[in-house]
Amino acid sequence: QSALTQPASVSGSPGQSITISCTGTSSDVGSYNLVSWYQQHPGKAPKLMIYEGSKRPSGVSNRFSGSKSGNTASLTISGLQAEDEADYYCCSYAGSSTLHVVFGGGTKLTVL
Amino acid sequence: QVQLQESGPGLVKPSETLSLTCTVSGGSISSYYWSWIRQPPGKGLEWIGYIYYSGSTNYNPSLKSRVTISVDTSKNQFSLKLSSVTAADTAVYYCAILGGKADYWGQGTLVTVSS
Repeated sequence: QSALTQPASVSGSPGQSITISCTGTSSDVGSYNLVSWYQQHPGKAPKLMIYEGSKRPSGVSNRFSGSKSGNTASLTISGLQAEDEADYYCCSYAGSSTLHVVFGGGTKLTVL
Repeated sequence: QVQLQESGPGLVKPSETLSLTCTVSGGSISSYYWSWIRQPPGKGLEWIGYIYYSGSTNYNPSLKSRVTISVDTSKNQFSLKLSSVTAADTAVYYCAILGGKADYWGQGTLVTVSS
């Protein structure tokens, strides 16, 4: 299995919106509506921001939203804030007969 | 609230076996799929494998030959063994539940492979 493909970095100014893409295949992102997105600050464990493609856990700001089209999932952050600066990872199940887990390579978000 | 805590040696010699334990509190281990994930310094997340309380397992194909995940429901713990380690196995190791809305992670523990 291969890692999902994410851009290495994205940036935006406070108040702007950014989108991070996560490209997989028909065997992972395209097959399951089970993409999760994680935010990770330095030295911290990842924090779930989106699950099942577009659902937000309790306590996560509605500035975070998720979507999917074909084999590509996307995370959009609107109204960028300084505290959004972090690494973001997508995650999906993969495989038809054995459900493996695969992560994206991660995207560094810089708030300018 | 489910909490997870990793424990084990922080230093392992090359060619030896890395052994870590995850202790679960605030919930029963007799539900969910229990995962191990690692993150080499400065790099991304890598799924190692998961186990169900019944003992059924699923491993990352790239690590399958060296990985064993086991569960001890009486102690509410699950464990990771990674054999024949090299410097490339140096990483922060996390135990976690990746269960959609039910998503919990330990704080992570750094394991360094060095003689």
